[in-house]
Amino acid sequence: RKEVEQDPGPFNVPEGATVAFNCTYSNSASQSFFWYRQDCRKEPKLLMSVYSSGNEDGRFTAQLNRASQYISLLIRDSKLSDSATYLCVVRGSSGDKLTFGTGTRLAVRP
Amino acid sequence: GAVVSQHPSWVICKSGTSVKIECRSLDFQATTMFWYRQFPKQSLMLMATSNEGSKATYEQGVEKDKFLINHASLTLSTLTVTSAHPEDSSFYICSAVSPGRNSPLHFGNGTRLTVT
Repeated sequence: RKEVEQDPGPFNVPEGATVAFNCTYSNSASQSFFWYRQDCRKEPKLLMSVYSSGNEDGRFTAQLNRASQYISLLIRDSKLSDSATYLCVVRGSSGDKLTFGTGTRLAVRP
Repeated sequence: GAVVSQHPSWVICKSGTSVKIECRSLDFQATTMFWYRQFPKQSLMLMATSNEGSKATYEQGVEKDKFLINHASLTLSTLTVTSAHPEDSSFYICSAVSPGRNSPLHFGNGTRLTVT
């Protein structure tokens, strides 16, 4: 089993749609979790950290379920500019090492 | 916020030559930096962990004699691709963790290497 697994997609949704991505992780001792966004031929950029109680940033909501070992990202009212690959990132129990999922590709159409 | 600068952004070189890529943390000290490689339509793959003042830790399958890493200061790590071949053409990205518990990873803007 991979350390961090994501559905590769692509998710093809119309503008205004709500879309959700899930990510599962295998190490129950993982400390912290993040969602990154990567545009084509660019470096990943931090979208948001994921907190135990869940957190929201505008149209984006992140949730963590430690019991089931998954995190989720919900995007409401999708915009064309949301088209990108979304990477789930997990920091291991050792502290520094971060493991990336393979990413979920989102395409928002007019 | 924390900034990581990577240079050059792109480089084209001939087969057999060596290429050096620099990664700098601009406003924080990074005892650890990471080097990733990404082939088209594939995920980021960790190549090695660069530790200031000591040897880098390489991931399985990454040749340490081909990908030389030097982390001579708390703000600079370099990756040298030695005797580059066309199959080394890829997107190389460095990153660093800023101080603080649960701090995220900050990425350089990446280096697109093309070996002809």
